[in-house]
Formats: sequence, C-alpha cells, structure tokens
Amino acid sequence: QKEVEQNSGPLSVPEGAIASLNCTYSDRGSQSFFWYRQYSGKSPELIMSIYSNGDKEDGRFTAQLNKASQYVSLLIRDSQPSDSATYLCAVLYNFNKFYFGSGTKLNVKP
Amino acid sequence: GAGVSQSPRYKVAKRGQDVALRCDPISGHVSLFWYQQALGQGPEFLTYFQNEAQLDKSGLPSDRFFAERPEGSVSTLKIQRTQQEDSAVYLCASSDRTSGGRDTDTQYFGPGTRLTVL
Repeated sequence: QKEVEQNSGPLSVPEGAIASLNCTYSDRGSQSFFWYRQYSGKSPELIMSIYSNGDKEDGRFTAQLNKASQYVSLLIRDSQPSDSATYLCAVLYNFNKFYFGSGTKLNVKP
Repeated sequence: GAGVSQSPRYKVAKRGQDVALRCDPISGHVSLFWYQQALGQGPEFLTYFQNEAQLDKSGLPSDRFFAERPEGSVSTLKIQRTQQEDSAVYLCASSDRTSGGRDTDTQYFGPGTRLTVL
C-alpha cells in the first residue's frame, strides 16, 4: 500500500504570513508530485507540480521536493483569506496511479 | 475550452438500487480516472482508462462497481445494489498522459457526483 501522509490541521496563520504545508510519501519509486487545493464542496484544482529535487516557485507558491527524505512541501507566501482551503498532496506512482493524502486544512485569518 | 463535466451532480439512492454516474473528459484527453472521496479524506483511486482500455481497476472496492469507456471518451461508473458505505463524492479526472512525458501528468478534475445512499 502506497501511503501519502499529511497533517490534517487545521493550520491557522494570520493574513500576510507564510503558510508551510508538509507531506511525506512511502514509495521511493514515486515519480511526480502535485499540490491540489480543494475548497469545501468543490473539486481539487492543481496548484503546482514538481518532479526534481529542489524548489519550484510560481508566484506566491513554492514547492519543495526532497526525494532522499521522501518529503514534499508547499510554502504559501503573503497568505490571503482566499487561500483558506484544504491542500491535498498527490504522488504519481507507476505512471498512472495517483495517491492522495487526506489533506491539510489551512485557515488564513484576516 | 470546456473542462471535465460530470452528471448528475447529486444522486440520492435507496439501498439496493443501481446507479450510473457519467463523466465527460476534456476533449482529446486520452487518460481518464475515477476516484472516490469520503468526507474529510483525500480522493482514493478507483480505476484508470487509456482510451477505451481499462488498464487498472485495482481500486474498485467490490464487484458491485463497474466502469466503462466504450468509445474512448465518455465514461460511466456503475454501482450495483448500492450500500450505505458507497455514500461519497465520486470524482472523475482526465489528463493528456499516455506514457512518458511528465508535462502531461497533470489531472484535471470534474465537479464530482455526490452520492447519498439511504
């Protein structure tokens, strides 16, 4: 069983702060890593993908991958109340199977 | 262009009834996935199609669950003799992925069908 672990939260940060979301995965054969955002009652929407060790930045979002530690994280700078949602970490294994974590609920307080 | 669409958006079934959930993927997307998402959990993989071929159905929880994609576009997930534990949101996702080519790994999700079994 491939496992993707996330702290369920809620993670509360004040508006303008940096939110740090973490994810660990069990299978070293995992190839691609994704962060999805899911608002309550809505479907997941892609924020970022990352494939190589290191950092990848896109606007206020930075994804970090460390394959040796089997760890992927998402940093959200200048957090806004509209960022309040559940953040899902997803890991692609064997080219066609995605495993999702249970999500971390983020609450950005005005 | 249009995204992934699913219908119905909500379905209430009495225990023992059969249901059929439809997914229209993004036009031209080769790969189609079905997921089950229970309340407070992440999506769990059910099955995967590449064109009309069902390449992986290892996540289907029982033989009451059946999926098809006969012409390689629209897909239907059928649940026979529904049980209360089948209550969940069923998500469909599509991607342009075939094999290889990481840029096409990204899955795009539909709005989901919320199934409630009474």
